[in-house]
Amino acid sequence: QSALTQPASVSGSPGQSITISCTGTSSDVGGYNYVSWYQQHPGKAPKLMIYEVSNRPSGVPDRFSGSKSGNTASLTISGLQAEDEADYYCSSYTSSSTLWVFGGGTKLTVL
Amino acid sequence: EVQLVESGGGLVQPGRSLRLSCAASGFTFDDYAMHWVRQAPGKGLEWVSGISWNSGSIGYADSVKGRFTISRDNAKNSLYLQMNSLRAEDTALYYCAKALGWGLSNSADYWGQGTLVTVSS
Repeated sequence: QSALTQPASVSGSPGQSITISCTGTSSDVGGYNYVSWYQQHPGKAPKLMIYEVSNRPSGVPDRFSGSKSGNTASLTISGLQAEDEADYYCSSYTSSSTLWVFGGGTKLTVL
Repeated sequence: EVQLVESGGGLVQPGRSLRLSCAASGFTFDDYAMHWVRQAPGKGLEWVSGISWNSGSIGYADSVKGRFTISRDNAKNSLYLQMNSLRAEDTALYYCAKALGWGLSNSADYWGQGTLVTVSS
């Protein structure tokens, strides 16, 4: 069982918006602004999409946005495109001895 | 261009050891913390270990604490993971990842392609 809880799957049609949630505790998501989101296509290495809750690395489209409320972080993808179909993982710094925890991953299907 | 190339994976019997290496290029290696993250076949990501820019701060997942040792050689732009007392549940693709900054609170921004470790008799 992963430390952070994500829905197993979400789906949307091209052009629509979707949101993926990531629920933790006050020891991780709620306690730090060190929440990141990764995109992983099959057979590929993860790619950083959002860091420190809402910051986008250079080159990541502004269709991707992140936010946090309490112990839950969210990734929103607007204007869905076919190439957005992938697995998405959230991660958070934590006060536990295991410094970083990941969510179980969410499979995004673009219909 | 940031490049991270892992090596050292392979098939190993339970209880044996393996040392992974990660060769870094395209950035000032000793300015950044580094992480190891693994992914079991068909499963999600699991953070394994991290090391700050000067090796002053090191962290391990509870699942590997006492068995794995992370280290770095800034002169050689290299990151290492010594894995002892390997178990079947350590079977995974091991990724080397560069952090966004010098400390362990920084998440990973660039990842290598991974090296596969299979623990089986």
